[in-house]
Amino acid sequence: EAGVAQSPRYKIIEKRQSVAFWCNPISGHATLYWYQQILGQGPKLLIQFQNNGVVDDSQLPKDRFSAERLKGVDSTLKIQPAKLEDSAGYLCASTVGGGMETQYFGPGTRLLVL
Amino acid sequence: SQKIEQNSEALNIQEGKTATLTCNYTNYSPAYLQWYRQDPGRGPVFLLLIRENEKEKRKERLKVTFDTTLKQSLFHITASQPADSATYLCALGRGGSARQLTFGSGTQLTVLP
Repeated sequence: EAGVAQSPRYKIIEKRQSVAFWCNPISGHATLYWYQQILGQGPKLLIQFQNNGVVDDSQLPKDRFSAERLKGVDSTLKIQPAKLEDSAGYLCASTVGGGMETQYFGPGTRLLVL
Repeated sequence: SQKIEQNSEALNIQEGKTATLTCNYTNYSPAYLQWYRQDPGRGPVFLLLIRENEKEKRKERLKVTFDTTLKQSLFHITASQPADSATYLCALGRGGSARQLTFGSGTQLTVLP
């Protein structure tokens, strides 16, 4: 079974530029999460999708971050414009849904904003 | 506000010894608690889950305890090996239909040969 796929693995941009991250969850997984992980800290939830609907985006900085999961499969997270403090790892995770708790994480995208 | 604290410093132990990692939390009533392993440059990998009505869970060389009165979980790795060196994350789970995790900052474990 293929795992959660993410791309790109690394991205370097200048502040005020925009960037997009892509995630393809495990096939059949209804729930998808995006996390931000600052170096030395644990992952922090940004947004949770159930199929193509948003369950929780209360911690997403909506003035600059957006995310979508149009067909209930893969998802895109965008930052526009980026700030220096957005330098972090961005992790995508998925679960089967229906109350199952184990989350399966992708390798993440490491973003550096200069 | 909710707070999750793991071992404040990195943990170094000798190969063959038992590593014990702590996870303390406040202002939270988790339905379950999970432990994940994270290697540099990779995403976390699930290890164990323990529910609020369970005291202990084991899986091979791993053991986790959960004390909801003390608001604490302990994670043990017995007969530790250098390959166990990684960062270990504690995550508290919210029940209900929206299953979400709140992660601690992790403990970096180094097993010395």
